[in-house]
Amino acid sequence: KQEVTQIPAALSVPEGENLVLNCSFTDSAIYNLQWFRQDPGKGLTSLLLIQSSQREQTSGRLNASLDKSSGRSTLYIAASQPGDSATYLCAVRPRGAGSYQLTFGKGTKLSVIP
Amino acid sequence: ETGVTQTPRHLVMGMTNKKSLKCEQHLGHNAMYWYKQSAKKPLELMFVYSLEERVENNSVPSRFSPECPNSSHLFLHLHTLQPEDSALYLCASSQGNGYEQYFGPGTRLTVT
Repeated sequence: KQEVTQIPAALSVPEGENLVLNCSFTDSAIYNLQWFRQDPGKGLTSLLLIQSSQREQTSGRLNASLDKSSGRSTLYIAASQPGDSATYLCAVRPRGAGSYQLTFGKGTKLSVIP
Repeated sequence: ETGVTQTPRHLVMGMTNKKSLKCEQHLGHNAMYWYKQSAKKPLELMFVYSLEERVENNSVPSRFSPECPNSSHLFLHLHTLQPEDSALYLCASSQGNGYEQYFGPGTRLTVT
């Protein structure tokens, strides 16, 4: 059974700092990995989707990497801003036809201090 | 309306009530999902519909009953819930299997 772990559970950084969020998964047979952002009491906003054949994806100040063989992904946020404060979730989809299952981690709660 | 919408946003119900949650997607997708998010637990997939057919049901108690009348609408019918069912219920949609999922804002459900 796939398990997804996100460390740390919470992170507090001063504004302007670069930071890295970590995601690890136990089964490397994945189809893709998706990073989301969730604001308190709200739904999820998709940030980046990395296919299993890719090594990284970039969107603005965000860069996500994937090392499938070691079961790890990182989300790099450059020049953090108070508006980046949210919970960041990663989720993996298994390889295999027909499965819609996404397995989520518990998330990392990020606070960017002005 | 754009994206994925959910109504109501907040719901308080007693254990003997019957209520329904509604989800609508305006993205032209053909797959829709119900997730449950409880405090301190990862998101749990409840149901998946593809082309209006249920394709996944993750051992969800029968007091939760999904309905997908067409590819744009998804309902979750609730009856005789328990206090531990209190959670944020999220709806999502995607173009198909393996594609990016887009989420609605969720319904915060409290069972008293």
